[in-house]
Amino acid sequence: DVKVTQSSRYLVKRTGEKVFLECVQDMDHENMFWYRQDPGLGLRLIYFSYDVKMKEKGDIPEGYSVSREKKERFSLILESASTNQTSMYLCASSVGLAGHNEQFFGPGTRLTVL
Amino acid sequence: GQSLEQPSEVTAVEGAIVQINCTYQTSGFYGLSWYQQHDGGAPTFLSYNALDGLEETGRFSSFLSRSDSYGYLLLQELQMKDSASYFCAVNQAGTALIFGKGTTLSVSS
Repeated sequence: DVKVTQSSRYLVKRTGEKVFLECVQDMDHENMFWYRQDPGLGLRLIYFSYDVKMKEKGDIPEGYSVSREKKERFSLILESASTNQTSMYLCASSVGLAGHNEQFFGPGTRLTVL
Repeated sequence: GQSLEQPSEVTAVEGAIVQINCTYQTSGFYGLSWYQQHDGGAPTFLSYNALDGLEETGRFSSFLSRSDSYGYLLLQELQMKDSASYFCAVNQAGTALIFGKGTTLSVSS
C-alpha cells in the first residue's frame, strides 16, 4: 500500500516563527504536492514537484516555499508564519505519468498560528 | 481563469441514488477525477474520466462530457458510510489537479 506520512497531525506556532512541514512517501512516486484545505474553499494547491530539486508554483504560493532534496521527501516551509496560514495542510504524491495521476494523500497537519 | 462548480450540499436517504454535478472551466484539460473525504480523514481517489462517457466502479459511476465541460458522480444504493465530502478535480496539465470546493453528502436512515 502507498503510504504518505506527514510529520505532525497537529501543530501550534507563533506569528513570525519559521515552520517546517514534512512529508514522506514510500512508493517511489515522482510527483509530490502540498495543498491547504479550508472550510468552503476545498483543496488549494500551494506547490508541487515533479522531480528532485524541481518545484512549480500552484495557485496560492505566496508566503510559502518548498524543498525537495530527496525523491521521497517534500517539505513545505512557512518563512514567517501568519495567522491567515492557520489551516489544514495536506501532502500528496502520484506517479509521474501525464493524465490519470491518482494522488495519494497523507493524513494532514492541522496548523494553528497564534 | 479556471473554476470548478459543484453543489455545496446534498442530502439523501439510505438506498437512494444521488448525482453530484461538476462543471469546469480551465485552460487545459486531461481528465476529471473524483475524490472522497470523510470527516477528519484524507481524500481518497474514486474515479477518473479522460474520455466522454460513463465509468462504473461498483456502486459508484462517473460521467464526463468534454464538449459540455461537465461531469457527474453517481452514487447508487446509498449507505450511511457514504456520508462524506466529494470533490471533483480537473487534471489540467498532466500532473497537478485543480479541485472544486467540494460537496457534502449527508445520508440519513
